[in-house]
Amino acid sequence: GNSVTQMEGPVTLSEEAFLTINCTYTATGYPSLFWYVQYPGEGLQLLLKATKADDKGSNKGFEATYRKETTSFHLEKGSVQVSDSAVYFCALSDQGADKLIFGTGTRLQVFP
Amino acid sequence: GAVVSQHPSWVICKSGTSVKIECRSLDFQATTMFWYRQFPKQSLMLMATSNEGSKATYEQGVEKDKFLINHASLTLSTLTVTSAHPEDSSFYICSARRGSETQYFGPGTRLLVL
Repeated sequence: GNSVTQMEGPVTLSEEAFLTINCTYTATGYPSLFWYVQYPGEGLQLLLKATKADDKGSNKGFEATYRKETTSFHLEKGSVQVSDSAVYFCALSDQGADKLIFGTGTRLQVFP
Repeated sequence: GAVVSQHPSWVICKSGTSVKIECRSLDFQATTMFWYRQFPKQSLMLMATSNEGSKATYEQGVEKDKFLINHASLTLSTLTVTSAHPEDSSFYICSARRGSETQYFGPGTRLLVL
């Protein structure tokens, strides 16, 4: 079945460091891919998405490219801030399907 | 816009009692709402999908008589955990969607059954 695997955390970085959170997926067909972020005490928020191969989603300095050949959707940011500290979830949805399938989440901690 | 609230944010109950969790879309009408469950260090697992005015569709392995879902209006869905047991302790998260748009998530409800 479809699944999402993302790196375990926590990821601990100093402010202005480069961030990569790895995400790979297994799916039949052509899923859409998402990154959600959950700040402390809040609900999940859509950070970015990509709906087809080679698409790049971007938002708030974060980027992820849909790589069909490696079945990956790694999240990157060139310079993290303390305010980026949160839990990040990678997810996929089958084409036309309602369901979102999530990874386990990766906690990011950024220190000044 | 697109705010989803859940109430309560946390609840402790005795084994054998029932607990109701509310999910509200505050500034939009949600044609579809979703209920997820999250165990520590694990993914969010979809439990059921509910459309306003119709019966919920449960995922495989989720007991519909155990987890009663009611989507009585376009802004409110409720999840009732009936005859709760310690193994039902978990973090329950709802999301709401208007048409085919993005899902908007609530902040979650932590349930502890003693």
